[in-house]
Amino acid sequence: GDSVTQMEGPVTLSEEAFLTINCTYTATGYPSLFWYVQYPGEGLQLLLKATKADDKGSNKGFEATYRKETTSFHLEKGSVQVSDSAVYFCALSNHRDDKIIFGKGTRLHILP
Amino acid sequence: NAGVTQTPKFQVLKTGQSMTLQCAQDMNHNSMYWYRQDPGMGLRLIYYSASEGTTDKGEVPNGYNVSRLNKREFSLRLESAAPSQTSVYFCASSEQGSDQPQHFGDGTRLSIL
Repeated sequence: GDSVTQMEGPVTLSEEAFLTINCTYTATGYPSLFWYVQYPGEGLQLLLKATKADDKGSNKGFEATYRKETTSFHLEKGSVQVSDSAVYFCALSNHRDDKIIFGKGTRLHILP
Repeated sequence: NAGVTQTPKFQVLKTGQSMTLQCAQDMNHNSMYWYRQDPGMGLRLIYYSASEGTTDKGEVPNGYNVSRLNKREFSLRLESAAPSQTSVYFCASSEQGSDQPQHFGDGTRLSIL
């Protein structure tokens, strides 16, 4: 079945460091891909998405490119801030219904 | 601009007690969802409703029932709570269409003693 695998955390970085959180997926066809972010005490919120191969989603300085050949959707940010500390979820939707399959999440800690 | 509202925010139950978690959305969305979030497990779908009057089981439906009362409200009921149901529960809603983002409430933290 369809699945999402993302790097285990926690990931700890210093402020202004470069961030990469790896995400790979298994799915038939051409799924849509998402990154969601969860700040402490809150629900998830959409960070960015890409709906077809080679699309790049971007928001708040974060980027991810839909790579069909490597079945990946890695999240990157050039210079992280303390306020980026959160849990990040990679997810996919395979267009069969409105359900989304989430990865297990990666906790990110940014040190000042 | 409320979005998705969940009540209560916290609850402690004893094993065998029942309770209903409430969820309401004000975005006129057709699709609504209930998830549970456990450490190291990510989010797991409990039940799903594509429209008023329809519900479908998700990945972990055992021990739960749902009711789509109207387009706005989607409730989750634990008939006989068990310690394994200790978790954080999230309700979400979305417009129809697999590319549409889901909008989440802030969660209900439930402990079963």
